[in-house]
Amino acid sequence: GQNIDQPTEMTATEGAIVQINCTYQTSGFNGLFWYQQHAGEAPTFLSYNVLDGLEEKGRFSSFLSRSKGYSYLLLKELQMKDSASYLCAVIDSNYQLIWGAGTKLIIKP
Amino acid sequence: EAEVAQSPRYKITEKSQAVAFWCDPISGHATLYWYRQILGQGPELLVQFQDESVVDDSQLPKDRFSAERLKGVDSTLKIQPAELGDSAMYLCASSFSGNPTDTQYFGPGTRLTVL
Repeated sequence: GQNIDQPTEMTATEGAIVQINCTYQTSGFNGLFWYQQHAGEAPTFLSYNVLDGLEEKGRFSSFLSRSKGYSYLLLKELQMKDSASYLCAVIDSNYQLIWGAGTKLIIKP
Repeated sequence: EAEVAQSPRYKITEKSQAVAFWCDPISGHATLYWYRQILGQGPELLVQFQDESVVDDSQLPKDRFSAERLKGVDSTLKIQPAELGDSAMYLCASSFSGNPTDTQYFGPGTRLTVL
C-alpha cells in the first residue's frame, strides 16, 4: 500500500533550526511536495523536489533522497509565524498525489 | 495576486439536510480539485476536473456527494443528505494544467459542521 510517515508534532524555539522528516513507501515516485498549513487555513506551496539533493529557498530548504524514500524540510531562524502544520505529498507512479497527515510545528519564544 | 475563491467559509447544518459549496479557481487554470480534510489529517481527494470533465472521482461517495463544473470554470460540490461524519474542511484547489507536478493553489476552504 501507499504510506507517508511524518512526525505528528514537533516543538522548537524561536530563532532555532528544525528539521521535519518525511518517509514514503509508494508505488513509484514522480516528485514530492511540501506545503505549509496554518490552523484553519488552506495549504500553501513551499517546495517541490524530483531530483536528489537540497533545494534552498530563503529560510526554508527541502532535501530528497529517492533511494531512501526520504525527504526533510529544514526551517532556519524560526519565527513565531512558522507555527503551522507541514504536509508532505508524493506523486506516485500513477501520477496520483498521496498526502501525508502533516507535522504540527509549535514554536516557543 | 490571483486566488482561488470559495464560499461559504463556514456552514453549519443538521444531518439529512443538503449543503452546497462553491469554488472559483484561478483564471486560466484548467484543473480543479475538491478535497476533504479532517482535523489532524492530510487532504483526501474527492474529485478532480480537467476543464468540465471529471478525471478522478474514485473517492467521492456518490450516493450522497455530487460535483459539477459545467462550463469548465467554477464548480459546485453538493452533499445530500449530510451526515455527522461529513463534518470537515472542504478545500478547493486549482492548477494550470493536468500535470500532477504542477503546483496546486488552494482556496480558503469551507468548514462544515453537521449537527
